[in-house]
Amino acid sequence: DSGVTQTPKHLITATGQRVTLRCSPRSGDLSVYWYQQSLDQGLQFLIQYYNGEERAKGNILERFSAQQFPDLHSELNLSSLELGDSALYFCASSAGLARDNEQFFGPGTRLTVL
Amino acid sequence: DAKTTQPTSMDCAEGRAANLPCNHSTISGNEYVYWYRQIHSQGPQYIIHGLKNNETNEMASLIITEDRKSSTLILPHATLRDTAVYYCIARPYGQNFVFGPGTRLSVLP
Repeated sequence: DSGVTQTPKHLITATGQRVTLRCSPRSGDLSVYWYQQSLDQGLQFLIQYYNGEERAKGNILERFSAQQFPDLHSELNLSSLELGDSALYFCASSAGLARDNEQFFGPGTRLTVL
Repeated sequence: DAKTTQPTSMDCAEGRAANLPCNHSTISGNEYVYWYRQIHSQGPQYIIHGLKNNETNEMASLIITEDRKSSTLILPHATLRDTAVYYCIARPYGQNFVFGPGTRLSVLP
């Protein structure tokens, strides 16, 4: 158990819909990261937040957005869903911005878009 | 980011040491080498990381060559539960992880 929690575990929805994925980082961790893992793309970095502020962006679509709240939990919002958005979405957290901080991953949310 | 190359797959007998190689010939001085593994569709699990020196923890050992162009992750006594995809990542300072396809390790009874 990494200490990172994600809800829900599974989500099934239809094309065009909007969903919100939630992540609670390990106690004391200030950085949160979101990743997408689909069968054909592997594990892709989406976005990072540090203490409530966006820190880095990766391959995140404009239809996707995220935020980190004062209690440090984070939400990833996916809108206008397409079939290709079906994937595992992982959240990770780390203590801060030190050069060798490891990231600890949550169990993921499996999103299925029908 | 330094590109890493790993074998697509490897087998290891249960109870034997599993040695997983990784090539990172273009690594720069500020890039750490990290190893993660992913068991089935679970979240990636941190194993170990290092910069120049060899490292050991309760899970594994990391051997980095003197020129830092390659490294080996060693699982000293592999068990069936070590069957997973193992990712070697060279991470520059201030940058995020870039996961490649990894090595699929199968531990055989």
